[in-house]
Amino acid sequence: AQKITQTQPGMFVQEKEAVTLDCTYDTSDQSYGLFWYKQPSSGEMIFLIYQGSYDEQNATEGRYSLNFQKARKSANLVISASQLGDSAMYFCAMREGRTGNTPLVFGKGTRLSVIA
Amino acid sequence: GAVVSQHPSRVICKSGTSVKIECRSLDFQATTMFWYRQFPKQSLMLMATSNEGSKATYEQGVEKDKFLINHASLTLSTLTVTSAHPEDSSFYICSARDGNRPLMNTEAFFGQGTRLTVV
Repeated sequence: AQKITQTQPGMFVQEKEAVTLDCTYDTSDQSYGLFWYKQPSSGEMIFLIYQGSYDEQNATEGRYSLNFQKARKSANLVISASQLGDSAMYFCAMREGRTGNTPLVFGKGTRLSVIA
Repeated sequence: GAVVSQHPSRVICKSGTSVKIECRSLDFQATTMFWYRQFPKQSLMLMATSNEGSKATYEQGVEKDKFLINHASLTLSTLTVTSAHPEDSSFYICSARDGNRPLMNTEAFFGQGTRLTVV
């Protein structure tokens, strides 16, 4: 079974609008972390935001916020005030367990295109 | 943030030759490094976990004799693709964990990736 599911292969958003990228996850661990990365065409993986399973508040980092709904096992990324430079692939990822020494498991990604 | 340097960024090699990819943590000790492979328009798939001073742990379906991983120091891990074939053409990317920051809420730091083309 997929541990990370991103159901939107591609999304379009108008510049300056907000957009939500969906991510659902599957784990039986009580302790886990959820990550979002941006991958531009150059290939580098740019860390955007992190949410821990025990965090009660939704994470925010500048224009990025994570809508964490634990009971529904969803961790959607919200990008506010989209910019042309936001066009890229976006990956949701999860790390299971209590330590940070386990690898990330990635979803299939969502390609975001920002339109002027 | 912490920096992971991966080299080379692009390499083209002939079928049957070997290619070495380096992954260095520049300002922290990386006790664990992860190697991922990404085919075009696909996600990152974990190939192996590399721990300093011990043998790498390979994921199911990844040939350990073909993808040799060495993690001889706390700042360097290498992936050697031996006897490369065109189907090995892919984007290879490493990530490193800061051994002094084992908590969950630290992101994995990624190298810039290596685009391998086998002709």
